[in-house]
Amino acid sequence: NAGVMQNPRHLVRRRGQEARLRCSPMKGHSHVYWYRQLPEEGLKFMVYLQKENIIDESGMPKERFSAEFPKEGPSILRIQQVVRGDSAAYFCASSPQRTGKGLETQYFGPGTRLLVL
Amino acid sequence: AQSVAQPEDQVNVAEGNPLTVKCTYSVSGNPYLFWYVQYPNRGLQFLLKYITGDNLVKGSYGFEAEFNKSQTSFHLKKPSALVSDSALYFCAVRDMKGNEKLTFGTGTRLTIIP
Repeated sequence: NAGVMQNPRHLVRRRGQEARLRCSPMKGHSHVYWYRQLPEEGLKFMVYLQKENIIDESGMPKERFSAEFPKEGPSILRIQQVVRGDSAAYFCASSPQRTGKGLETQYFGPGTRLLVL
Repeated sequence: AQSVAQPEDQVNVAEGNPLTVKCTYSVSGNPYLFWYVQYPNRGLQFLLKYITGDNLVKGSYGFEAEFNKSQTSFHLKKPSALVSDSALYFCAVRDMKGNEKLTFGTGTRLTIIP
């Protein structure tokens, strides 16, 4: 059973370009979360999605950032007009649908390291 | 708002000695607590979690953590450290009110000295 997959693992963009980060959750998982890790910091929550729905985007910057999780295919985190401050590691996590019996653990992918020149 | 504090940026332990990585939390209501480990240029690996029940939780690779409600702490422990335990450790909290997001501490870099 493959874990959470993210691609690309490394992404270099120039200021003003667009960055697209992809995340395929673990098989059977329907919940996806995106987190950002700045150098020497912990992970910060960005957005929580279920299939075709954004559930919580309280951690997303108001501009330039968007996320989707379509019915088919991976979840996409899109950053338009990137700036140097967007350089970070972006991690995706997934969890199964809540069973009502307790908390479901979030399992993390290897991350995409974005460098903006 | 929920928060997590990891008071030590760096912990050094001699191989074979017991180790403790500290974590305190703040959350309204009862907490869900987690420990994750991150190796260089890798994602986070789940170690263990506390939901309810016994205050001592056992996890992967011989790690355990003790939940202390009165001290709002969830320290990570291992009786005998291995060099391979050297990594970055993150404590995280989630509240029970349906808020799905994890709030992470800033991490503690654990170095096991041979």
